[in-house]
Amino acid sequence: EAQVTQNPRYLITVTGKKLTVTCSQNMNHEYMSWYRQDPGLGLRQIYYSMNVEVTDKGDVPEGYKVSRKEKRNFPLILESPSPNQTSLYFCASSLNRDRRYTEAFFGQGTRLTVV
Amino acid sequence: EDQVTQSPEALRLQEGESSSLNCSYTVSGLRGLFWYRQDPGKGPEFLFTLYSAGEEKEKERLKATLTKKESFLHITAPKPEDSATYLCAVQGRNTDKLIFGTGTRLQVFP
Repeated sequence: EAQVTQNPRYLITVTGKKLTVTCSQNMNHEYMSWYRQDPGLGLRQIYYSMNVEVTDKGDVPEGYKVSRKEKRNFPLILESPSPNQTSLYFCASSLNRDRRYTEAFFGQGTRLTVV
Repeated sequence: EDQVTQSPEALRLQEGESSSLNCSYTVSGLRGLFWYRQDPGKGPEFLFTLYSAGEEKEKERLKATLTKKESFLHITAPKPEDSATYLCAVQGRNTDKLIFGTGTRLQVFP
């Protein structure tokens, strides 16, 4: 079954404690991306990756890091989480044909609370 | 700057009452416009991709259309199971980013 898997689904952590949210896809997609979703602000792109070892900033990259060492995995790293990073996070992947996106598959989401 | 605006923010319909959702966009050349459905607590689910003005796509009770400035998602004779938030996103010609609107929350009552 084609899917994007995020872990964990729920996470409560304390300010400053480094954490990683994992994302894995089984569709051999080139393009992967991380979004955060906040009430009234919609989905905002944090980072994206066009392929292995190629990453770029989205609209809200501050406080986040990513890496793309393998095609299937795209972890999101919060080196020193702060309360304003409390949000619902989604990972997505899609094919990228001639830099045109096709249907994107989203993970189930990770609800992060930083206290 | 690329921008996407969806309206209305919320829409309440009686079952069977057809209506349309709007997605207005500003991009320097459109590479693609996407519609997604999102249920509470879940990730968005892909509905349609439109690439050029005049293009239309249909799926069950949903039909998406595209002009040079906006897209409409028409819902014909909706059912309660169509209740969800509908998201629009665009990719501009000069960017690899996807820009999402804030969505329209649709509620269909029996």
